[in-house]
Amino acid sequence: QVQLVQSGAEVKKPGASVKVSCKASGYTFTSYDINWVRQATGQGLEWMGWMNPNSGNTGYAQKFQGRVTITRNTSISTAYMQLSSLRSEDTAVYYCAREDSSGYVDYWGQGTLVTVSS
Amino acid sequence: DIQMTQSPSSLSASVGDRVTITCRASQSISSYLNWYQQKPGKAPKLLIYAASSLQSGVPSRFSGSGSGTDFTLTISSLQPEDCATYYCQQSYSTLPITFGQGTRLEIK
Repeated sequence: QVQLVQSGAEVKKPGASVKVSCKASGYTFTSYDINWVRQATGQGLEWMGWMNPNSGNTGYAQKFQGRVTITRNTSISTAYMQLSSLRSEDTAVYYCAREDSSGYVDYWGQGTLVTVSS
Repeated sequence: DIQMTQSPSSLSASVGDRVTITCRASQSISSYLNWYQQKPGKAPKLLIYAASSLQSGVPSRFSGSGSGTDFTLTISSLQPEDCATYYCQQSYSTLPITFGQGTRLEIK
């Protein structure tokens, strides 16, 4: 069965960077795009960016341009999201999500809580 | 960017009620509209894709309709396990993907 398993919770200080991993299994990793979406406590879903694991092509939300980088390691079917220059407002649960070719997300990771606090 | 606006932001209904949630896009998105259900502490779950197609395994009491700019998610007979927040998402323009702000559904 399709699974996206994310790395564990992180606590970071303001100004630091965080890198969250997302390991895919149960399907061909390079056949589906991966998106990253975050959700602050009690808030809605916020799209951060996208990657085509086959080509490595990426696209980012304007809000995060320059601060977010999405990469992959196809040999281990894992995608990564790195967010730099962290601030308290970046405290949120970060999700990776598989995107079908029609643009809907059919599988989500379990989420990774990133807490930014001094 | 395409803006998605849901209404209402929250609602309360009784078991067995018919519930409708509306999503409006800031421009025409054809049928590129998807609905998700999210329960507290869990990742969202796909319910409906392409405006009206039921995702495998989702109960048939959920249905979606609409095209262009106006869409609805309907629960034909509300069940206790339907207590959740519901989000619409447009996939007409995927850079960026945009979500509605969510509709919190409570059971009376």
